[in-house]
Amino acid sequence: KNQVEQSPQSLIILEGKNCTLQCNYTVSPFSNLRWYKQDTGRGPVSLTIMTFSENTKSNGRYTATLDADTKQSSLHITASQLSDSASYICVVSEMDSSYKLIFGSGTRLLVRP
Amino acid sequence: DTGVSQDPRHKITKRGQNVTFRCDPISEHNRLYWYRQTLGQGPEFLTYFQNEAQLEKSRLLSDRFSAERPKGSFSTLEIQRTEQGDSAMYLCASSLALEGSEQYFGPGTRLTVT
Repeated sequence: KNQVEQSPQSLIILEGKNCTLQCNYTVSPFSNLRWYKQDTGRGPVSLTIMTFSENTKSNGRYTATLDADTKQSSLHITASQLSDSASYICVVSEMDSSYKLIFGSGTRLLVRP
Repeated sequence: DTGVSQDPRHKITKRGQNVTFRCDPISEHNRLYWYRQTLGQGPEFLTYFQNEAQLEKSRLLSDRFSAERPKGSFSTLEIQRTEQGDSAMYLCASSLALEGSEQYFGPGTRLTVT
């Protein structure tokens, strides 16, 4: 069973629009939750990292939220740009082995002009 | 460029051949990780090193796979007797040995086994 589930699997939006990506996880207890951006054929790049005590974290036009009670996180992208087209991956690490990242399957975002 | 580098970026090999990949981490990072990513999926943890010591191996790492980090700097991942199911992107990452440290990923090596 996948411990990190993401939705939607894919999303197409118009340039300039906002979007929200969802992540549900079952990892418990968890150490931190991260969102990564992965361009096609490249390695993932970290966008945000939150500990279990944090509710929100922003990085420019990216804002991540975390509800540790419901084990849900979201990534909100504001005023999308063509360069935002990529896969966005939710990643959780366990409390006892925080070095071992557990990845979701990602949401593939396509921003169209 | 002071990021994580991997070589080669692409490798095509025939089933049954051996392949070796190299990863050069960020110089001050003493932890190094290997992940495997298949199409449409997120990366899966394979193994990690702290300095030259290999501290954990996933059950995904069959006995055909071996990883080394002999001097605590670069690492190699070797796959012996490759199978078509080994076709994937192999990602390397590095970090400091601190709780919750950021892992920085390399560009990956895409392996295709024909």
